[in-house]
Amino acid sequence: GAVVSQHPSRVICKSGTSVKIECRSLDFQATTMFWYRQFPKKSLMLMATSNEGSKATYEQGVEKDKFLINHASLTLSTLTVTSAHPEDSSFYICSARDPNRVSSYNEQFFGPGTRLTVL
Amino acid sequence: AQSVTQLDSQVPVFEEAPVELRCNYSSSVSVYLFWYVQYPNQGLQLLLKYLSGSTLVKGINGFEAEFNKSQTSFHLRKPSVHISDTAEYFCAVTPNTGFQKLVFGTGTRLLVSP
Repeated sequence: GAVVSQHPSRVICKSGTSVKIECRSLDFQATTMFWYRQFPKKSLMLMATSNEGSKATYEQGVEKDKFLINHASLTLSTLTVTSAHPEDSSFYICSARDPNRVSSYNEQFFGPGTRLTVL
Repeated sequence: AQSVTQLDSQVPVFEEAPVELRCNYSSSVSVYLFWYVQYPNQGLQLLLKYLSGSTLVKGINGFEAEFNKSQTSFHLRKPSVHISDTAEYFCAVTPNTGFQKLVFGTGTRLLVSP
């Protein structure tokens, strides 16, 4: 149980285009999902917290208009990188919290990540 | 606010040798502690977690960690490593009240050689 998937696993796009990354909780309903960015040989940086049916909460320094997050259902959150540039190239990882798993309180289940390369 | 320090960016070790990856944290409130492993181009997999109770926590793949409140540490250990343990290891903390975000350390790369 508690499986999180991401699609696509890898994407290459041209500078100026927009890219959408999907994060799905496959066997549970996730009221809260998180989006992280990971630079090479660096730790994960939390970008935003996504709550189903409401606006995402962005961390300081993260551009809301650049990284659009939508959490329209209990099993799906999307991250759209708008007008992507080479500096947006990174590894994006989502995670989800299962509120019904009392034994794993506060535990987040991570997706496999999406490698974005902007040319 | 919480912070996590992983002093060792890289730890080289020979196969079948023991290893310890260090993690220290700072927090004004009680925390939950986690160790995650990340294999190349993959997401994070939970190795073990400390929520409460016994300070010695056993996880998957033969790893264990000990929570030391006085030293604010949560070091990860394995008595005998395998080549397949080569990966990036992240320590993380979160307050133990409410749904709070995880704060990660900068990671330690474990390099196991024959």
